[in-house]
Amino acid sequence: DSGVTQTPKHLITATGQRVTLRCSPRSGDLSVYWYQQSLDQGLQFLIQYYNGEERAKGNILERFSAQQFPDLHSELNLSSLELGDSALYFCASSVVRYEQYFGPGTRLTVT
Amino acid sequence: AQKVTQAQTEISVVEKEDVTLDCVYETRDTTYYLFWYKQPPSGELVFLIRRNSFDEQNEISGRYSWNFQKSTSSFNFTITASQVVDSAVYFCALSSFYNQGGKLIFGQGTELSVKP
Repeated sequence: DSGVTQTPKHLITATGQRVTLRCSPRSGDLSVYWYQQSLDQGLQFLIQYYNGEERAKGNILERFSAQQFPDLHSELNLSSLELGDSALYFCASSVVRYEQYFGPGTRLTVT
Repeated sequence: AQKVTQAQTEISVVEKEDVTLDCVYETRDTTYYLFWYKQPPSGELVFLIRRNSFDEQNEISGRYSWNFQKSTSSFNFTITASQVVDSAVYFCALSSFYNQGGKLIFGQGTELSVKP
């Protein structure tokens, strides 16, 4: 158990819908990262927050957004969902620049 | 640009064989970190090791060992006397020390299958 929690574990939704994925980092970790894992793209970095502020952005679509709250949990919002957004979404936390510990992931299926 | 290449897509071995997973990276940074993660069939990503670019000492942890060679930009991972429980997808990853907040750049992964 990495100490990072993600909810829900599975999510099935229709095209055009909006979903929110939630992540709670390990105790004491200020940095939260979001990654997407798909068969064609592999593991891709989406976005990073550090103590509530956006720190780095990767290949994140404009339809996707995230935030980190004062209690350090983070949410990833995916809107206007398309079939191609079906993937495993991971959250990770770390002391910045050190090893990242990953949550169990949320498997999103868009039908 | 930063890039990680794991040329071996799939490897199949018989239990007790030794196996080496290759990782080659590209970066312009002089200081960086390298990682290996394991993704078993259950799907979670498990951290195995982190190496700093300024520390080229090889590391051994039980049946696992890592060979870091800056001259060839490689960070290879060897499992000695493999076991069925080692079956998983293994990812090599790179992060910059100074820039980009520490995001991980992953290779495509090597799927290791250890047969009894």
